[in-house]
Amino acid sequence: NAGVTQTPKFQVLKTGQSMTLQCAQDMNHEYMSWYRQDPGMGLRLIHYSVGAGITDQGEVPNGYNVSRSTTEDFPLRLLSAAPSQTSVYFCASSYSGGLTLAGTGELFFGEGSRLTVL
Amino acid sequence: SQKIEQNSEALNIQEGKTATLTCNYTNYSPAYLQWYRQDPGRGPVFLLLIRENEKEKRKERLKVTFDTTLKQSLFHITASQPADSATYLCALDNTGGFKTIFGAGTRLFVKA
Repeated sequence: NAGVTQTPKFQVLKTGQSMTLQCAQDMNHEYMSWYRQDPGMGLRLIHYSVGAGITDQGEVPNGYNVSRSTTEDFPLRLLSAAPSQTSVYFCASSYSGGLTLAGTGELFFGEGSRLTVL
Repeated sequence: SQKIEQNSEALNIQEGKTATLTCNYTNYSPAYLQWYRQDPGRGPVFLLLIRENEKEKRKERLKVTFDTTLKQSLFHITASQPADSATYLCALDNTGGFKTIFGAGTRLFVKA
């Protein structure tokens, strides 16, 4: 099992460029989410999805788009990169039975994508 | 707005001692609270969960307490080892895993 796979691991963009961060999971999890992690601010939720075809905004969605055409994939698109989007991005997935007595709501994270916008 | 506070200062302890990390939260009613470990350059890894109706949970050398009245969780690592050195994140959720919110984490250094 690969778990949650993110690509690329590192990327440098110029202001105004667009790009897509890829995320794939092989655990058949319904829930997937994207976070950004900045020093001193912890993980902040960008967008999330509760299943194929269903997405919604998190705490910091501006400048980002997502789609969920399959259960496995949840790409994050930067429309026009800005220096404020320099960050480490993490994709996570979880089993949808997290609030049940048997569930833990455990999030499985990828290894992160470090993005620098010049 | 919802807020999770963890001690931003690093915690330095001697090997063999008990490390205690604190997580406080406001404006939130979690169904459960989780603790994650994050090593430099890696993604967070789930450690354990405690539910709103539980006071204490143990897993090997780890112990978590949860006080919903004080809105606080304490995370203990007993008989700490240098390999326990990492950043520990507190997380809250009442959605089952798609809108989990995180604290900024506390960096733990265990000296041999």
